[in-house]
Amino acid sequence: GQNIDQPTEMTATEGAIVQINCTYQTSGFNGLFWYQQHAGEAPTFLSYNVLDGLEEKGRFSSFLSRSKGYSYLLLKELQMKDSASYLCAVRDYNFNKFYFGSGTKLNVKP
Amino acid sequence: DGGITQSPKYLFRKEGQNVTLSCEQNLNHDAMYWYRQDPGQGLRLIYYSQIVNDFQKGDIAEGYSVSREKKESFPLTVTSAQKNPTAFYLCASSSRLAAFSKNIQYFGAGTRLSVL
Repeated sequence: GQNIDQPTEMTATEGAIVQINCTYQTSGFNGLFWYQQHAGEAPTFLSYNVLDGLEEKGRFSSFLSRSKGYSYLLLKELQMKDSASYLCAVRDYNFNKFYFGSGTKLNVKP
Repeated sequence: DGGITQSPKYLFRKEGQNVTLSCEQNLNHDAMYWYRQDPGQGLRLIYYSQIVNDFQKGDIAEGYSVSREKKESFPLTVTSAQKNPTAFYLCASSSRLAAFSKNIQYFGAGTRLSVL
């Protein structure tokens, strides 16, 4: 089976940097995805890692260590609109299935 | 515009009734998925389909049924056997899997189902 863990909730200040961690245990790993989901809306794709290292895209970066089963999403220069849930998802190569963590609710305060 | 269309946005089910949620995509994706999301929870896989005329049960398939007669369409029926159907239902699609391909999963806007 799959086991994906992320913190339930985090709070950070506008303009600051926040790191959201995700640990996973899975067989047939074929990529880790981060999605952003605002309340009542569909998840939208943020980033993808399949090889170890850091992927940077504007204010968002994502890191992966396959040997440690660990990833993080780094958000810089936080804005109020970044208040949302952030979902970590792992893709299973054998079945092209995606397994999602429970999500981390990020509260950005002024 | 390419994308995934789910309808209706809101749906109410009476006890003992079957209801069907629509999902249509024009992204030419082979794979389609149905997820259920409960308040404050992550996404749980109900059913998925890698190709037309084939589908597989996910982790919580009991009380649900699907069909995949066309590549573009993957409707989900919530049957009367599903005793706790109130949730947010999300449909998603992705292209055929290839090693190290990004193969992003895209989501529809969701259907919120409630029981009367």
